[in-house]
Amino acid sequence: EDKVVQSPLSLVVHEGDTVTLNCSYEVTNFRSLLWYKQEKKAPTFLFMLTSSGIEKKSGRLSSILDKKELFSILNITATQTGDSAIYLCAVGSGGSNYKLTFGKGTLLTVNP
Amino acid sequence: DADVTQTPRNRITKTGKRIMLECSQTKGHDRMYWYRQDPGLGLRLIYYSFDVKDINKGEISDGYSVSRQAQAKFSLSLESAIPNQTALYFCATSDRHPGQETQYFGPGTRLLVL
Repeated sequence: EDKVVQSPLSLVVHEGDTVTLNCSYEVTNFRSLLWYKQEKKAPTFLFMLTSSGIEKKSGRLSSILDKKELFSILNITATQTGDSAIYLCAVGSGGSNYKLTFGKGTLLTVNP
Repeated sequence: DADVTQTPRNRITKTGKRIMLECSQTKGHDRMYWYRQDPGLGLRLIYYSFDVKDINKGEISDGYSVSRQAQAKFSLSLESAIPNQTALYFCATSDRHPGQETQYFGPGTRLLVL
């Protein structure tokens, strides 16, 4: 059974702090790893990673994948209150029957 | 206009009633999905469809059925609703081409079964 585990489950920081969110996985026929941000509505796409060791960046957010150790991290630098959200990690697996398996998410709270 | 829309956005129903949740997309994607989200359990896949007439069960399909009427429409039905089907339901779509499989989500339907 495919498994995606995120840690920590929740995190409280102050504005300006840097945070690292973790995602480890065990899936058959790995294809991709995706990060989403969910505020009070639908998840919105952040990154998709398919290759090891290549960092994806978007502003203060960055992510990297380690396919050998089967994990990914999402870094957020200089956090702002608007970064408060649930961050979801999902792993895509399978061939013609490709599907996403989601972790339970990390709830990040950024206090002023 | 939103690329993926869901109706209704909120619904209250009683145990035993049949209800349908609808999803439409203008992204031109072949693939569509239904998920439910429960506190502490994350997103779980109910059904998915890779094309019109293609229907596949996800992790938690019992008590649900779907219909893919056209490329742009994917409906989820609860034949006889029960209280533990109270949840937030999301529809999502994706392209079928390798490397373009990012899923894009609708705004969600909040369902309460009394």
